[in-house]
Amino acid sequence: DTGVSQDPRHKITKRGQNVTFRCDPISEHNRLYWYRQTLGQGPEFLTYFQNEAQLEKSRLLSDRFSAERPKGSFSTLEIQRTEQGDSAMYLCASSPKATGVYEQYFGPGTRLTVT
Amino acid sequence: QKEVEQNSGPLSVPEGAIASLNCTYSDRGSQSFFWYRQYSGKSPELIMFIYSNGDKEDGRFTAQLNKASQYVSLLIRDSQPSDSATYLCAVVHNYGQNFVFGPGTRLSVLP
Repeated sequence: DTGVSQDPRHKITKRGQNVTFRCDPISEHNRLYWYRQTLGQGPEFLTYFQNEAQLEKSRLLSDRFSAERPKGSFSTLEIQRTEQGDSAMYLCASSPKATGVYEQYFGPGTRLTVT
Repeated sequence: QKEVEQNSGPLSVPEGAIASLNCTYSDRGSQSFFWYRQYSGKSPELIMFIYSNGDKEDGRFTAQLNKASQYVSLLIRDSQPSDSATYLCAVVHNYGQNFVFGPGTRLSVLP
């Protein structure tokens, strides 16, 4: 079984462009989470899915951010009209169902640089 | 406001010593507590979790939880230079909901 994978690993874009990231969770993990992490800070929650349903979205997340998990497997995170403040590491994590603890396993992240 | 606090460090310990990392949280409804290790430029890696008061041991690592004091700690015995990393504390309020992470403590194990 492979771990969580994310694509691309690095993305450099110009301000105002749209970007989309993909996350493939560990197979059979029904929960999928997106976080953003900046230097010197812990990961900051963005949103999470249980199967295909988006159950929670951070109030810090602007309308420029949208996430989908159409078939309950992989997920995409899109950022529209990127701003320099969006530069960060975007982390995806998944957790198995029915363990009672819901520990999360992280992918390698996508590092976004907005110029 | 749910907050998790950690001393940012750096915490320096000599090789072979015990490293003690601390974390406090503000939400009394918090139920599960996680420790992650993050090497520079890498993603967080789960070390262990704890949800009952007391100690939980896994190899060289021991997690300690005191819900009355809203305090969780991680002890690393026989610290090795390879343990040098940032250690993140994460707290979950409701089962399976989003984690709230602390800012992390940077640990440096000196050979």
